[in-house]
Amino acid sequence: RKEVEQDPGPFNVPEGATVAFNCTYSNSASQSFFWYRQDCRKEPKLLMSVYSSGNEDGRFTAQLNRASQYISLLIRDSKLSDSATYLCVVRIPTGNTGKLIFGQGTTLQVKP
Amino acid sequence: DGGITQSPKYLFRKEGQNVTLSCEQNLNHDAMYWYRQDPGQGLRLIYYSQIVNDFQKGDIAEGYSVSREKKESFPLTVTSAQKNPTAFYLCASSRGLYGNQPQHFGDGTRLSIL
Repeated sequence: RKEVEQDPGPFNVPEGATVAFNCTYSNSASQSFFWYRQDCRKEPKLLMSVYSSGNEDGRFTAQLNRASQYISLLIRDSKLSDSATYLCVVRIPTGNTGKLIFGQGTTLQVKP
Repeated sequence: DGGITQSPKYLFRKEGQNVTLSCEQNLNHDAMYWYRQDPGQGLRLIYYSQIVNDFQKGDIAEGYSVSREKKESFPLTVTSAQKNPTAFYLCASSRGLYGNQPQHFGDGTRLSIL
């Protein structure tokens, strides 16, 4: 089983739609959670951290369910510019440091 | 502006050749990382470094080497022992390895075999 699993998609949605991405992780000791956005042939960029109480940033809402080891990202009122791959990222404790584990990403294509 | 600079953007390697990818950051971050990304896959950790003169192997270190002689610099050498080096290589840095510290990425180097 992969440490971080995402539905690769692609998700094809019309402009204005609401879309939700899910992510599951296998290590119950995981400490920090993030969503990154990666445009085609570009580097990943931090979209938002995910907090236990859930958090919102404009049209984006992230949720964490530690009991189910599940993270979600909700995008409301999709824009053409939201088209990208969204990476679910989890920090796991490793020795005295910790490292990030990246999911393979979920591709979103927003169409006019 | 603070950031991470990777060079070159594109690199071609001949059989049996070692090549070095550059990564420089002016964010004053302690931790630096190298990842490899293959099409349709997530990022895989090659090496990481917490402090100067110290680095640790990641999940796919075989065929790669690094050095961390300066805080700002973390070059990656792809050796001839790496038989499948064609990939997108990403360097990242973070303030530390503890707590809720996201990573910031350079814009990557695409390596191909000639």
